[in-house]
Amino acid sequence: GAVVSQHPSWVICKSGTSVKIECRSLDFQATTMFWYRQFPKQSLMLMATSNEGSKATYEQGVEKDKFLINHASLTLSTLTVTSAHPEDSSFYICSASDSRQGAAAAFFGQGTRLTVV
Amino acid sequence: KQEVTQIPAALSVPEGENLVLNCSFTDSAIYNLQWFRQDPGKGLTSLLLIQSSQREQTSGRLNASLDKSSGRSTLYIAASQPGDSATYLCAVPITGGGNKLTFGTGTQLKVEL
Repeated sequence: GAVVSQHPSWVICKSGTSVKIECRSLDFQATTMFWYRQFPKQSLMLMATSNEGSKATYEQGVEKDKFLINHASLTLSTLTVTSAHPEDSSFYICSASDSRQGAAAAFFGQGTRLTVV
Repeated sequence: KQEVTQIPAALSVPEGENLVLNCSFTDSAIYNLQWFRQDPGKGLTSLLLIQSSQREQTSGRLNASLDKSSGRSTLYIAASQPGDSATYLCAVPITGGGNKLTFGTGTQLKVEL
């Protein structure tokens, strides 16, 4: 299957600082990538859709100014958590599908464990 | 709004047992359904993808079925092994949302020696 790489796998940051998470599709192009968040013992919740070359679209209740998304190329999307606070501590996962395929399987990155202290 | 539910929430079985995980969804207008495995603190591994035109998919000891009309899917694991211990998630595309997924609540499986 297709490979999606996410970096870093974990990060600890101080409250008030910003953290950038990268999501790369290694062997295919993805015009669209998705960012999810997972709190402990809960399932994944979609945060936003990252669109190559255009603005991201955010789900209801997700602050676009806090979670900045950039999708500058067909293989890279970044999520920046700005002015992080302890309540932002969570597991963040990205996904992508091969743009050349229609109803294709979604492949996920390894996830990033963010801890804000 | 699509809601996806998985039963049971947790399951513990002895090694070698065959088991079935259940997934139900409220909106049957889906074009595929995907089963994932998640190990603790890790990302998701895609196990099986069933297109809406298909009834089932098989991969090794795994078999997934789909009944759109009743809004149900099952994941059958044959001859379970301790290495199968993980959380299993089913997911369907959000209506009109391309490959945006709505995830089920998950089933935490433990296979004991």
